Amino acid sequence: EDQVTQSPEALRLQEGESSSLNCSYTVSGLRGLFWYRQDPGKGPEFLFTLYSAGEEKEKERLKATLTKKESFLHITAPKPEDSATYLCAVQAGGSNYKLTFGKGTLLTVNP
Amino acid sequence: DAGVTQSPTHLIKTRGQQVTLRCSPKSGHDTVSWYQQALGQGPQFIFQYYEEEERQRGNFPDRFSGHQFPNYSSELNVNALLLGDSALYLCASLRGGSLATQYFGPGTRLTVL
Repeated sequence: EDQVTQSPEALRLQEGESSSLNCSYTVSGLRGLFWYRQDPGKGPEFLFTLYSAGEEKEKERLKATLTKKESFLHITAPKPEDSATYLCAVQAGGSNYKLTFGKGTLLTVNP
Repeated sequence: DAGVTQSPTHLIKTRGQQVTLRCSPKSGHDTVSWYQQALGQGPQFIFQYYEEEERQRGNFPDRFSGHQFPNYSSELNVNALLLGDSALYLCASLRGGSLATQYFGPGTRLTVL
């Protein structure tokens, strides 16, 4: 069974204080790993898709990386508007696009 | 370009009642998935529809059923509601392809009293 574990569960940063979120996964034949951002009471907002180990993608202050066992979401010089829950999900080969999610990391950035 | 839309936004029901939630996919998308997200948890896969057929199902009882229409929109039906069905119900759509990304709607908040 596919599993995704995210750590830490919650992270509090000061504005400008860089850090990383972790997503560890076990999946039978990874088709893709996805990062989403979710604001309270809203639907997840797509950030990145990573397909193979060694791949990296960047968007503004966010950078996602992928290895064979985990992914990191690096946040550089965060701002208060980056506060949200960050969700990681995996899609297994032959899964007909089913996503298996972790519980998420709640990020709070204080001004 | 309109994204994924869902209705209603909020819904309050009592135990034993039935509910229908609706989803319109992003333009050009032909596949719709439904997820249940309990408070403090990640979304859990309910089922997926493609070409008006249920293609895959997660670990949810038969009380959860769905439908996809020729215009690719979809409905999620839940019968005999339980208190534990209270959650945010999310619809996601994609255009079929091996490297497809799923885009989520804003969700429907269901409260069962």
